[in-house]
Amino acid sequence: EAGVVQSPRYKIIEKKQPVAFWCNPISGHNTLYWYRQNLGQGPELLIRYENEEAVDDSQLPKDRFSAERLKGVDSTLKIQPAELGDSAVYLCASSLRGHNGELFFGEGSRLTVL
Amino acid sequence: GESVGLHLPTLSVQEGDNSIINCAYSNSASDYFIWYKQESGKGPQFIIDIRSNMDKRQGQRVTVLLNKTVKHLSLQIAATQPGDSAVYFCADPNAGNMLTFGGGTRLMVKP
Repeated sequence: EAGVVQSPRYKIIEKKQPVAFWCNPISGHNTLYWYRQNLGQGPELLIRYENEEAVDDSQLPKDRFSAERLKGVDSTLKIQPAELGDSAVYLCASSLRGHNGELFFGEGSRLTVL
Repeated sequence: GESVGLHLPTLSVQEGDNSIINCAYSNSASDYFIWYKQESGKGPQFIIDIRSNMDKRQGQRVTVLLNKTVKHLSLQIAATQPGDSAVYFCADPNAGNMLTFGGGTRLMVKP
């Protein structure tokens, strides 16, 4: 069974440019999460979806970050414009509904903003 | 505020020895904890969980101990192997109604 798939794995951009990350969760997983992980730190939740509804986006910097999960399956996370401090690994995870502890993570998208 | 954190950023052990990774939490109402392992360049991977009605749970070569009195939990890895080298996170799924990770402990296994 395929795990959570993310792309791109690596992205290098200049500040003020836009960037987008894509995530395909495990089939049948209703809940999808985007986390940001800074170097040497634990992942921090940005947004959580139940199907296509964002149920927790309190940590998402809404001035420059946006996310969508239009059909309740794949999701995209966008940053526009990117800032130097956005350099991090962006992790996508999915889980079955109600299993908010056992998350399955993708390998992440490493963003470097120059 | 509520937090989940670890005592040491790095733990170095000899291959074959046992490893103990510690974690403290601050929310007395927390009733479920999870340990994740994150290898270099990969996302975190679920290892083992424990509910507050237990004080010990064993898996394959791993044991988690929970001490609710002092709000402390630990992950013990028996006969540590090179493949155990990773960063280990304790996480609380219910801190702020979301999975909250601590800062992580890097386990380094010396051959």
